[in-house]
Amino acid sequence: DGGITQSPKYLFRKEGQNVTLSCEQNLNHDAMYWYRQDPGQGLRLIYYSQIVNDFQKGDIAEGYSVSREKKESFPLTVTSAQKNPTAFYLCASSIIIFDEQFFGPGTRLTVL
Amino acid sequence: SQQGEEDPQALSIQEGENATMNCSYKTSINNLQWYRQNSGRGLVHLILIRSNEREKHSGRLRVTLDTSKKSSSLLITASRAADTASYFCATDNTDKLIFGTGTRLQVFP
Repeated sequence: DGGITQSPKYLFRKEGQNVTLSCEQNLNHDAMYWYRQDPGQGLRLIYYSQIVNDFQKGDIAEGYSVSREKKESFPLTVTSAQKNPTAFYLCASSIIIFDEQFFGPGTRLTVL
Repeated sequence: SQQGEEDPQALSIQEGENATMNCSYKTSINNLQWYRQNSGRGLVHLILIRSNEREKHSGRLRVTLDTSKKSSSLLITASRAADTASYFCATDNTDKLIFGTGTRLQVFP
């Protein structure tokens, strides 16, 4: 059963804490992405990776970090430097960079 | 920066009616994609149309692209209550895919 998974579905964080959101895909896609979605808004690109051990900043990378040590995995860390982290986070992957993207179910992060 | 902008922001129709959503963008593109998002879920890819294509069909979906006007439309024919969702256009802009703010479609049974 191929697909892209994200965990956890809901995450609560205290101010000042770092948290890591998981994203795994078994679609054998080279490219992976992290987006942030705020209520009533479109998606904004945080980071993307075209290939293992390589990643690029998107439009709103400040306060976030990523790694791409394996093709299947692209975890996102929301650091304490992110001023307003409460949002819905979506991970995606694609065969070709910026072509048809397959999305995970999302993680809703709330800062308490 | 906002590349694709959908119109209308919200649309309410009865089952069986057609729904048309529009997307306008600012710079030249390689392709334009339409996605659907059910509330609180991830996005699902619907259709991709390349800059050298003018029209594309997939089931009850019809997408047109007018590069001279920098606009695209998504038509859903014979809508169903299950089509209720938000619909986003996304345009590739050399080094990223830029999403619009979406059209919220409500289909009443």
